[in-house]
Amino acid sequence: GENVEQHPSTLSVQEGDSAVIKCTYSDSASNYFPWYKQELGKRPQLIIDIRSNVGEKKDQRIAVTLNKTAKHFSLHITETQPEDSAVYFCAASPANYINTGTASKLTFGTGTRLQVTL
Amino acid sequence: DTGVSQDPRHKITKRGQNVTFRCDPISEHNRLYWYRQTLGQGPEFLTYFQNEAQLEKSRLLSDRFSAERPKGSFSTLEIQRTEQGDSAMYLCASSPYGGGNIQYFGAGTRLSVL
Repeated sequence: GENVEQHPSTLSVQEGDSAVIKCTYSDSASNYFPWYKQELGKRPQLIIDIRSNVGEKKDQRIAVTLNKTAKHFSLHITETQPEDSAVYFCAASPANYINTGTASKLTFGTGTRLQVTL
Repeated sequence: DTGVSQDPRHKITKRGQNVTFRCDPISEHNRLYWYRQTLGQGPEFLTYFQNEAQLEKSRLLSDRFSAERPKGSFSTLEIQRTEQGDSAMYLCASSPYGGGNIQYFGAGTRLSVL
C-alpha cells in the first residue's frame, strides 16, 4: 500500500519568512495530493491540492510543487503570518484526475507543526 | 452550517462498553469516509461508503468495529467492547461524485476509553 513520509515534524519561522514542508510517497499509482491545515481542536481543512498532470499550483501565499519522478511534493508558504500556525498534513491518493468518479482513501503523512513567531 | 457534522464531539466510556458515533455528510455527497487520528499522527483510513454500499475496509477495522450507511445519507460507526487502544479522534469526511476525491472533513468525535 501507499506510504507517505513528511518532514520536518516541527517548523518554527519568524513572521514574514517562508516555510517549506516536504512529503514523499511510495505508490506510483498515486496522482492526487492534497494538503490539509488542522488547528487545535478543529477539523482538517483542505488548503490546496495538486494532481499529477501539473507540476506546480499557486493560491495567493500558498504553493505546491510535485515531482512525479522523484515521488515527492512540497508545500510552500510565503510571507507567513501568525494565523498560519497549525499542523499541516500532506496526503496521497490514486484518484483519477479526469474526474470520472473514482474515489479512494487518502494516505496521510504524520504532520508538521508550524509555529510562526512575531 | 452546511459542512460535515459529527455527533457527539466527545465521548468518555469505560472499557468494555459499546459506543456509536454519527456522521452527517454534506448534502448530496454520495461518498463518505471514516478515519481515525491519534495524537501526533495523521488520519488513518478505516472505511468508505459510496451511497449505502461499503466498498472498502481497512485492516485497522477489527471485528469489534462496524459501520453502516443505511439510506446513503448519514453513517454510524459502532465500536463494541471498547479497549483503551480505541481512544482516538474519529473523523468523517465526504466527497461528491465526480469531485476528483476532494474530501471535506468533520470536526470529529474524540473517544476516551477509561
